[in-house]
Amino acid sequence: GQQVMQIPQYQHVQEGEDFTTYCNSSTTLSNIQWYKQRPGGHPVFLIQLVKSGEVKKQKRLTFQFGEAKKNSSLHITATQTTDVGTYFCAYSNDYKLSFGAGTTVTVRA
Amino acid sequence: DAMVIQNPRYQVTQFGKPVTLSCSQTLNHNVMYWYQQKSSQAPKLLFHYYDKDFNNEADTPDNFQSRRPNTSFCFLDIRSPGLGDAAMYLCATSTRTSGREKYFGPGTRLTVT
Repeated sequence: GQQVMQIPQYQHVQEGEDFTTYCNSSTTLSNIQWYKQRPGGHPVFLIQLVKSGEVKKQKRLTFQFGEAKKNSSLHITATQTTDVGTYFCAYSNDYKLSFGAGTTVTVRA
Repeated sequence: DAMVIQNPRYQVTQFGKPVTLSCSQTLNHNVMYWYQQKSSQAPKLLFHYYDKDFNNEADTPDNFQSRRPNTSFCFLDIRSPGLGDAAMYLCATSTRTSGREKYFGPGTRLTVT
């Protein structure tokens, strides 16, 4: 079945710097969703991308879906301590949601 | 506020002693899911209900069962918990339309002694 690979697994960021996490699939995806899970919390939906080349922004977060719909990225600018957590990409297929391994972000003040 | 509620938030059970985790939702969503999440891992889908239709994942152990008596409630039964079943169990819901976002409950952290 389809699988999504996420890199990096861990991201240590200096407060104020930018970073990007990537999600890749060997097959074309109909959609990609991004979730954030704070330490000790549960996954919270951030956004869904469905169109080839789609770019969506939420304040300091920029989400992109590749032209071939095989990859996606999440770029965070001016990282803050509130950005700490694990960011998962996931694809939804026939009501089921399958997660990538996640990128765990820590922030150095 | 409409939400997904899980009880209890923390559950301790003994090796081999049956345990039931519960989930309720006020979103009136048709689809309910149970995920298992172990430390530093992604959530893993165990099964889901589309209305009353039960859909089991192929690699979900027989030790795990589920019940959905009505739209609002869903239960996860672990018949004989092993030490390897210690994890966070997340309930989630979504609307009938495939591909829509999932709403997760706060989870129940299960400890097996």
